[in-house]
Amino acid sequence: AQSVTQLDSHVSVSEGTPVLLRCNYSSSYSPSLFWYVQHPNKGLQLLLKYTSAATLVKGINGFEAEFKKSETSFHLTKPSAHMSDAAEYFCVVTKAAGNKLTFGGGTRVLVKP
Amino acid sequence: EAGVTQFPSHSVIEKGQTVTLRCDPISGHDNLYWYRRVMGKEIKFLLHFVKESKQDESGMPNNRFLAERTGGTYSTLKVQPAELEDSGVYFCASSQGLSGTDTQYFGPGTRLTVL
Repeated sequence: AQSVTQLDSHVSVSEGTPVLLRCNYSSSYSPSLFWYVQHPNKGLQLLLKYTSAATLVKGINGFEAEFKKSETSFHLTKPSAHMSDAAEYFCVVTKAAGNKLTFGGGTRVLVKP
Repeated sequence: EAGVTQFPSHSVIEKGQTVTLRCDPISGHDNLYWYRRVMGKEIKFLLHFVKESKQDESGMPNNRFLAERTGGTYSTLKVQPAELEDSGVYFCASSQGLSGTDTQYFGPGTRLTVL
C-alpha cells in the first residue's frame, strides 16, 4: 500500500521569495515520486520525477525536489517565486515498476506581487 | 505531437441520466488511465487499460461506471445512471511504458456536474 500526505493545503508567498511545498509518503515498495502542477483550466503537467537515481531532482521552471528516504519526504522547492507559479501542485507516488498513481491532496499556491 | 485530449470539457446532467466521456491518448501510447477528483478530495485512480484490455479496474466505484477502449485507441467512460456523488473532474492519462520511469501525460479533464 502507498499513500501521500501534502502537509499544506494552501501556501501564500510573495513574488521573488522562496517556495517550499511539503510532501511525505508511505510505500511498501521502492517508490517513484513525482510532482505535477495544474494551472487553472489546464491539464496536469509533470514538474519532475524521482526514480531511484540522484536524490536531488531538478525539474522544469526552476523547481527541484529532494528525496529523503530516512524522513520519507519529497519536498518541492523553488528559490524565487514567479507570478506564473500560482497553481495547484500535487505530490504523487507509484511503485518503481508500477502504474497507477497515488496522489496527495494538493497544495494551492498563491503568489502575491 | 498532440497531447491527451478529452471531450467534453464540461457536462451538466440530471440525476438518473447517462453521460459518456471520451479520451484520446497520445498516439502510440498503449497505456491509458482514468482518474477522478471529487470536490475536496484527492485525485483517485479508476482504471488502467493496456491496449484494449483492462489491466486494473480496482478503482472503479461501482457497476454504474463502464469503461471501454475498443481497438486500443480512444477510450470512453460511461456513467449510467448518474448520481449526485459522481460529480467531479475526470482525468485521462496515457503513457508509453509501465515502468516507474514512464511519465503519465494528462488531459485537461472533464468536469461533470450531476444535478
